[in-house]
Amino acid sequence: DVKVTQSSRYLVKRTGEKVFLECVQDMDHENMFWYRQDPGLGLRLIYFSYDVKMKEKGDIPEGYSVSREKKERFSLILESASTNQTSMYLCASSLGPKGTQYFGPGTRLLVL
Amino acid sequence: AQSVTQPDIHITVSEGASLELRCNYSYGATPYLFWYVQSPGQGLQLLLKYFSGDTLVQGIKGFEAEFKRSQSSFNLRKPSVHWSDAAEYFCAVGAPGGGADGLTFGKGTHLIIQP
Repeated sequence: DVKVTQSSRYLVKRTGEKVFLECVQDMDHENMFWYRQDPGLGLRLIYFSYDVKMKEKGDIPEGYSVSREKKERFSLILESASTNQTSMYLCASSLGPKGTQYFGPGTRLLVL
Repeated sequence: AQSVTQPDIHITVSEGASLELRCNYSYGATPYLFWYVQSPGQGLQLLLKYFSGDTLVQGIKGFEAEFKRSQSSFNLRKPSVHWSDAAEYFCAVGAPGGGADGLTFGKGTHLIIQP
């Protein structure tokens, strides 16, 4: 079974802090994705990566950056956390470019 | 760009009754179609997917979905729901061809099961 893990289930940070969310997949998938999920808005794509050191902006990249130094790991970075970044963050990976995405359990981030 | 509409924000069904969750998409050709389920506090789990071929797709947990090209729909069904089916359900669309750019998700339907 594909396993996607995220470094934290719950995280509390202060406004202005730099925040790192990490995601690791164990199935050698080329593609990895970061979404945020908010009530009434569903899932929105922040960034994705189709190869090591490659990244593409999704629908809502503002205020975020990503890093993919190794194939199995995809990090989401909030350079200076703000309260409007309080959300559930979901990481996913897929083998093919349009294929089935497998999701991690999510990180619920609260920015105070 | 593709889009997905799940017209029902909440649906309440009695345990043992049948279920249909609606999903409509907007895309110029036949997209890849997915249904995911999310239990409270959890990530998303794939229920089923459609890429091509038979338009009636069987998934896990007794769910099925039917792709109807003429209606641009991919509705999810289950003949008899169980209390454990209470969750959030998401329909998603992927555009075949081109590079990876993620899936487009609907806003979700919250399923409530009445005893």
